[in-house]
Amino acid sequence: DTEVTQTPKHLVMGMTNKKSLKCEQHMGHRAMYWYKQKAKKPPELMFVYSYEKLSINESVPSRFSPECPNSSLLNLHLHALQPEDSALYLCASSRGPGTANEKLFFGSGTQLSVL
Amino acid sequence: KQEVTQIPAALSVPEGENLVLNCSFTDSAIYNLQWFRQDPGKGLTSLLLIQSSQREQTSGRLNASLDKSSGRSTLYIAASQPGDSATYLCAGTGFQKLVFGTGTRLLVSP
Repeated sequence: DTEVTQTPKHLVMGMTNKKSLKCEQHMGHRAMYWYKQKAKKPPELMFVYSYEKLSINESVPSRFSPECPNSSLLNLHLHALQPEDSALYLCASSRGPGTANEKLFFGSGTQLSVL
Repeated sequence: KQEVTQIPAALSVPEGENLVLNCSFTDSAIYNLQWFRQDPGKGLTSLLLIQSSQREQTSGRLNASLDKSSGRSTLYIAASQPGDSATYLCAGTGFQKLVFGTGTRLLVSP
């Protein structure tokens, strides 16, 4: 299994809603990532989890709250989002952080629209 | 801060042409360089990873090269096909972090 699975594929939410994005991998990878991608722009790193601990937070607003319940799962909790947060949210995993030559595996993303 | 630029931003070619996509980065202290493919509204698929000690990698019709001293990488696609139409992104890897380029949108016409 070389897949990273993200759910849901599409999400529409109001600015007062609370929702969660989910990501799962069964490749035994110990690093997991959240990226945000606006239309026609490259992905931008949001968070990195290394061995289930948050290792990088790229100054992301607190309305985005990541969680790594175990080594296979990664969640992104959303609360009080703004319309400008509408984007494609991508999850990725790699074998382990700090190893210079590792390959990243990406999920197909969640297309989020905030109304 | 690492910055990655890709030229051209868009490219349209007829089927069968060989083509070259370019990637430039500002910080030569990268661990490796990856090339990805992204279809519209979809996630990224890793195509090739060039380790910092390597100069090139090949996979099928794809060949990627890396010249750290000049801060450049190229992706060569041989005998292009309509199925190659997608956005191609390069990314330089530092510790845990990929810095993506701006992408090249490729359209291969039958």
